[in-house]
Amino acid sequence: AQSVSQHNHHVILSEAASLELGCNYSYGGTVNLFWYVQYPGQHLQLLLKYFSGDPLVKGIKGFEAEFIKSKFSFNLRKPSVQWSDTAEYFCAASFSGGYNKLIFGAGTRLAVHP
Amino acid sequence: DGGITQSPKYLFRKEGQNVTLSCEQNLNHDAMYWYRQDPGQGLRLIYYSQIVNDFQKGDIAEGYSVSREKKESFPLTVTSAQKNPTAFYLCASTSQEDTDTQYFGPGTRLTVL
Repeated sequence: AQSVSQHNHHVILSEAASLELGCNYSYGGTVNLFWYVQYPGQHLQLLLKYFSGDPLVKGIKGFEAEFIKSKFSFNLRKPSVQWSDTAEYFCAASFSGGYNKLIFGAGTRLAVHP
Repeated sequence: DGGITQSPKYLFRKEGQNVTLSCEQNLNHDAMYWYRQDPGQGLRLIYYSQIVNDFQKGDIAEGYSVSREKKESFPLTVTSAQKNPTAFYLCASTSQEDTDTQYFGPGTRLTVL
């Protein structure tokens, strides 16, 4: 079955620390990959997405993600986090033939301390 | 100001009662989706609709029903058959030009007492 897994459920960092959140998917075919973020009290919003082409994708607010096909991974990174990055982050995937149905990972809660 | 609205933000119901959650979008999007969000489980798809008067079950449709009589509206009814209805419910939509990127509403938190 198609699935998305996120390795870390809770991450605590200090400001200026580097961030990497893991995401793996299970499917051998064509896949589109997304990272969504949910700030406290706000809508779920798209951070970045990968459909094809350059496997290093840059998104909003200084985030980037790298698609590594051989590892079935799409990890999210940011070189230096800020307190305002405190949020829940969701990795998601849509698979060929799935009519755009998104499958989400369980989410990672990030807390950034000043 | 285009977007997706969901109302109400918080909803309380007694066990055994049906309840309908509203989702409206003025983005002129064709497809709409309902998800349920539970702590530690991410989002799970309940129902989706690609066009008016048509909808399909998602992964956890049991105990839920939907209708799509208008393009801009996709209400979700949580019936008394849903065994564990307390959750955060999110509505989303996609355009025909970009069917892979979903835009989400603010959500409704339903608590069944």
